[in-house]
Amino acid sequence: GIQVEQSPPDLILQEGANSTLRCNFSDSVNNLQWFHQNPWGQLINLFYIPSGTKQNGRLSATTVATERYSLLYISSSQTTDSGVYFCAVPPLASGYALNFGKGTSLLVTP
Amino acid sequence: DAGVIQSPRHEVTEMGQEVTLRCKPISGHDYLFWYRQTMMRGLELLIYFNNNVPIDDSGMPEDRFSAKMPNASFSTLKIQPSEPRDSAVYFCASSQEVVDEQYFGPGTRLTVT
Repeated sequence: GIQVEQSPPDLILQEGANSTLRCNFSDSVNNLQWFHQNPWGQLINLFYIPSGTKQNGRLSATTVATERYSLLYISSSQTTDSGVYFCAVPPLASGYALNFGKGTSLLVTP
Repeated sequence: DAGVIQSPRHEVTEMGQEVTLRCKPISGHDYLFWYRQTMMRGLELLIYFNNNVPIDDSGMPEDRFSAKMPNASFSTLKIQPSEPRDSAVYFCASSQEVVDEQYFGPGTRLTVT
């Protein structure tokens, strides 16, 4: 199946700092989602972004499908941004399942 | 509109007991997915339904697991008999189309002792 690799695996930021998370995938995709899993375990939708760039407040995401990667930007980080960020893609041939990366664990300190 | 609803939120049971997890998808969503999250395997798809019909159950770990969707607003995932290795967080998700944004419920944390 399609491989999803996220980097970095762990990240510690001081409040107010900016960061970029990366997601590489091994095959063509027809959509891509970014999730934030908060410390309570809830999976929160951040972006549905098969291609192009989207912004939502301090967060933005860019997917370059032809080069098989997506980036998640977090600006002016806050302690509430802590948690695990997952990238998930369905394979083009069978677009039903979401293959999740292993995630980037982010800790934002005061 | 309410999001995906799952119950119970936490379940602790003894090995050998039957466990039933419940899910109510977002109204109007034709696709329902069951995922499991463990430390070892991360998030993985178990089964998905389209218009209440199971389409692919290849991710169901073994015959002890079964899932049903009797109507468009309700699905169950049953484990019988449960084993300690079934301990995990089970998520239900739904979407309008198969290639579409999926929305996840809060999950059920299952502990089998």
